[in-house]
Amino acid sequence: EAGVTQFPSHSVIEKGQTVTLRCDPISGHDNLYWYRRVMGKEIKFLLHFVKESKQDESGMPNNRFLAERTGGTYSTLKVQPAELEDSGVYFCASSQGWTGSYEQYFGPGTRLTVT
Amino acid sequence: AQSVAQPEDQVNVAEGNPLTVKCTYSVSGNPYLFWYVQYPNRGLQFLLKYITGDNLVKGSYGFEAEFNKSQTSFHLKKPSALVSDSALYFCAVRDRGTGGFKTIFGAGTRLFVKA
Repeated sequence: EAGVTQFPSHSVIEKGQTVTLRCDPISGHDNLYWYRRVMGKEIKFLLHFVKESKQDESGMPNNRFLAERTGGTYSTLKVQPAELEDSGVYFCASSQGWTGSYEQYFGPGTRLTVT
Repeated sequence: AQSVAQPEDQVNVAEGNPLTVKCTYSVSGNPYLFWYVQYPNRGLQFLLKYITGDNLVKGSYGFEAEFNKSQTSFHLKKPSALVSDSALYFCAVRDRGTGGFKTIFGAGTRLFVKA
């Protein structure tokens, strides 16, 4: 069974540019999550999809961030326009089940550097 | 506010000695508790979780953790450390009262095991 995959693994962009991160969850996992870890600090929750619906987007920093999950399969996270403080590692995770008791499976992350 | 504290940035232990990585939490409801491990250039891997029942839970690679409700702690332990245990460890909680999907992570503790 393939794990959670993320693309690209690393992205370097200039301030003001746009970047789109992609996440492919484990097949059959209805729950998909985005997280971000900045400068060695704690991993922060961004949002949670159930299939194609945004269940909780309370962690999204601002309206420069847009997440989509069309068709309930893969998801994209777009940052437009990027700012310096957006630099960090963006993790995607997926899980099965109807409760939060199920463990999440994480992708390797996308390291975003905004210069 | 919900939070997770991992008071030690780094834990050093000699191979063969017992190890403890500390975690305390603050959530408004009853938590689901998790430990994840991250090896270099990899995503987070699930180690173990507490959902209900026995306060001592056993997980992967010989790790275990004890849920202490009165102290709101969930320390990770292993009786005999291996050099290969050297990695970054994250404690995480979810408040089941709010649906239990939004995960709050600690800042991580780096474990070094010396041969």
